[in-house]
Amino acid sequence: RKEVEQDPGPFNVPEGATVAFNCTYSNSASQSFFWYRQDCRKEPKLLMSVYSSGNEDGRFTAQLNRASQYISLLIRDSKLSDSATYLCVVNMGAGDYKLSFGAGTTVTVRA
Amino acid sequence: GAVVSQHPSWVICKSGTSVKIECRSLDFQATTMFWYRQFPKQSLMLMATSNEGSKATYEQGVEKDKFLINHASLTLSTLTVTSAHPEDSSFYICSARPGNTYNSPLHFGNGTRLTVT
Repeated sequence: RKEVEQDPGPFNVPEGATVAFNCTYSNSASQSFFWYRQDCRKEPKLLMSVYSSGNEDGRFTAQLNRASQYISLLIRDSKLSDSATYLCVVNMGAGDYKLSFGAGTTVTVRA
Repeated sequence: GAVVSQHPSWVICKSGTSVKIECRSLDFQATTMFWYRQFPKQSLMLMATSNEGSKATYEQGVEKDKFLINHASLTLSTLTVTSAHPEDSSFYICSARPGNTYNSPLHFGNGTRLTVT
């Protein structure tokens, strides 16, 4: 089983729509969770950290479900500029510095 | 915000030659840097952890004699792909954390796209 798994998509949504997707992780001892955004042929850029109680940053909302070992990302009022691949990132264990990356979920927002 | 600079952004080389990639933390010190590789439509795979002043730690399946890592200062790590072959063609990305704790996010260099002909 992969350490981090994501639905690859693509999720094709119209501008203004809400889109949400999940990411599952295999190590129950993982403690750090992040969403990164990667544009085509570019490096990943941090979108947001994911906190235990869930957190919001503008139109983006992240949730963590430890019992079921998944995190989610919801994008409200989608913009064309939100089109990208979203990477789920999890540390590999309690206190582990190394991070494991999902293969990414591709979102395409159309006009 | 924390800035990680990587150079070169892209390189084309002939099979059998060596290529050096530099990764610098511009506004913070990094005792540890991470080197990743990404093939098309795949996730980032950790190759090795670069440790300032000591040997790098390589992930399983990564040849340490082929991918030489040097972390000579708190702001610079280098990855040298020795005797490159076409199968080494990939996107190589370095990263570092400003805060040296497991729960601080990584910041990435802009990546190096290597093409071996």
